[in-house]
Amino acid sequence: KQEVTQIPAALSVPEGENLVLNCSFTDSAIYNLQWFRQDPGKGLTSLLLIQSSQREQTSGRLNASLDKSSGRSTLYIAASQPGDSATYLCAPQTGANNLFFGTGTRLTVIP
Amino acid sequence: EAEVAQSPRYKITEKSQAVAFWCDPISGHATLYWYRQILGQGPELLVQFQDESVVDDSQLPKDRFSAERLKGVDSTLKIQPAELGDSAMYLCASSLELAGTGELFFGEGSRLTVL
Repeated sequence: KQEVTQIPAALSVPEGENLVLNCSFTDSAIYNLQWFRQDPGKGLTSLLLIQSSQREQTSGRLNASLDKSSGRSTLYIAASQPGDSATYLCAPQTGANNLFFGTGTRLTVIP
Repeated sequence: EAEVAQSPRYKITEKSQAVAFWCDPISGHATLYWYRQILGQGPELLVQFQDESVVDDSQLPKDRFSAERLKGVDSTLKIQPAELGDSAMYLCASSLELAGTGELFFGEGSRLTVL
């Protein structure tokens, strides 16, 4: 079974800082990896999808990289804003047609 | 922008009662998922449909949980009887592509509290 670890579990930064969230997974036989954002008490919002053949994907201030062979992905957030405060979840998708989630990184951006 | 619709958003029930959650995926999305998320944890798959067929229900507690997607569009997840440990957020997601290859889009979830 795929095991997903996200480090750090919680992160607090001042507004304007660039930051990196880390995700590692045990089974490298993935189709793709998706990063999500979750606000308290809400559903998941898809941020970025990286196919297994890709190395990175960018959307606005977000950049996600994937190193499939080493089982790692990072989410880079540039110029953080208070509105970025949320829990960020990574989810590799395996050939078993399922997303496996980590427990997430809870981000707080301080104005 | 198309969204995955879920209802109810909140449900409070007493143990041993029956509860049901409804999900309407994004139009045209053939794959539908139900996930359960316990507070402080990541979501875990309960059941996955491709059109009206179940693809994976290996993690669904079938003694009390059931799920259906009769016409391959909307779906219902039922719990009977509810237990205290069922308190969680129930999330529905859909995907356009064949299972295992596409981006998943989630609804706002249904939060269940069992007293």
